[in-house]
This record gives sequence, structure tokens and C-alpha cells, in this order.
Amino acid sequence: DGGITQSPKYLFRKEGQNVTLSCEQNLNHDAMYWYRQDPGQGLRLIYYSQIVNDFQKGDIAEGYSVSREKKESFPLTVTSAQKNPTAFYLCASSIPGRAYEQYFGPGTRLTVT
Amino acid sequence: EDKVVQSPLSLVVHEGDTVTLNCSYEVTNFRSLLWYKQEKKAPTFLFMLTSSGIEKKSGRLSSILDKKELFSILNITATQTGDSAVYLCAVVPGTYKYIFGTGTRLKVLA
Repeated sequence: DGGITQSPKYLFRKEGQNVTLSCEQNLNHDAMYWYRQDPGQGLRLIYYSQIVNDFQKGDIAEGYSVSREKKESFPLTVTSAQKNPTAFYLCASSIPGRAYEQYFGPGTRLTVT
Repeated sequence: EDKVVQSPLSLVVHEGDTVTLNCSYEVTNFRSLLWYKQEKKAPTFLFMLTSSGIEKKSGRLSSILDKKELFSILNITATQTGDSAVYLCAVVPGTYKYIFGTGTRLKVLA
């Protein structure tokens, strides 16, 4: 089955620790995205990547980092510099040239205490 | 600044009711508008609208776009409890960027 997987589903960390969220897709999509969703808010773009070895900051990139070494994988690291990291994180991908329809993974809920 | 505004923020109806969800936008360029349904986790795609005045329909759901007045509506007729979800609207102003609204939380009571 083609799709996007994110792991883990739930993640708990202590303040001051970096944490990496996994996102893998087997849809052969070039473009991948990371969003953050807080209660009562829509999705806010953290980073996106149009192609391997290239990525751009979204609207709320501070305190986050990404890499895109493989087409299938786009991991997100939440660093200790992120002031309020507790949130629901969604990864998405889209077809090149048909960037209108995004496919989403199941999300990772990160709690930092 | 590009923005997408959805209304109402939340809505409670009874099964069988018809609901209309609104999405208005201000963007420098416009490529398309998308509607998603989010129940627990991943948003699932409902519609993509690019042309004004053409209704997209899928079962009890339909949507239409007005590019002159910069808004779209999502209609759900004969609502069911399974329609309870957050409905997200997103506008695509460029090839790779999506701007999402805050969503409308719909609760359908049996």
C-alpha cells in the first residue's frame, strides 16, 4: 500500500532535549512538507522540500531543522531552541507539477514537559 | 500578507440538518482552493477548486468557489454523525506553498 508513515504516534520528551520525528513516503513524490497544528488553529508550515537535498523554511521554522537526503524521507528535528514544542506534527507530500493535492501522514503528537 | 479565514469556528447540528461552511481568502496569487476533512489525525482530501462558479460534488458534500468575491463554501446535506470532524480550507498561492485556515469544527448530534 502506498502512503505516508510517521513515527512514533506519541512522543514524550523532557525540556532541553532535541527530538527527531520520522516521515517516510513510498508515493514517489518529490515535494514533502512539515506542519504543526495547535488546538483551535489550522496547520502552520514549518519546512518544505521540493527535491532531494533542498529545503526551504516555512512560516514557523525557528527552533526546527530538517534534512532531505533521500526522496522517501524527510525527518524533522525539534531542537531545544523551540520555545513551545508541544503540538501535533503532520507530514505531507505532493506530486510534482500537481502540488495542489497534498497527502498527509497520520501525525505525531509531541509532548514536552 | 496571505490569509485564509474560515467561519464559523464551530458548529453543532442535528442529524439530517444541512450545513454551510465558509472560507474566505486574501492571497497575492491564486492557483487553487482545497477542502479537507480531519477526524482524528490526518486530513483527508475532499475537493480542489480552481474555477469560479463550477460546483464540485461528492455524495452529500458539495463545494463552489467565487474568485471574484474571494470565497468558497462547503455544503453538507442530510448530515450524519460520521460527518463530525474539523473541516479545513487551504489556498495554494504558488506551486509548493499552502495556506490553511483555522478550520471549522462540526459536531453532528444523533
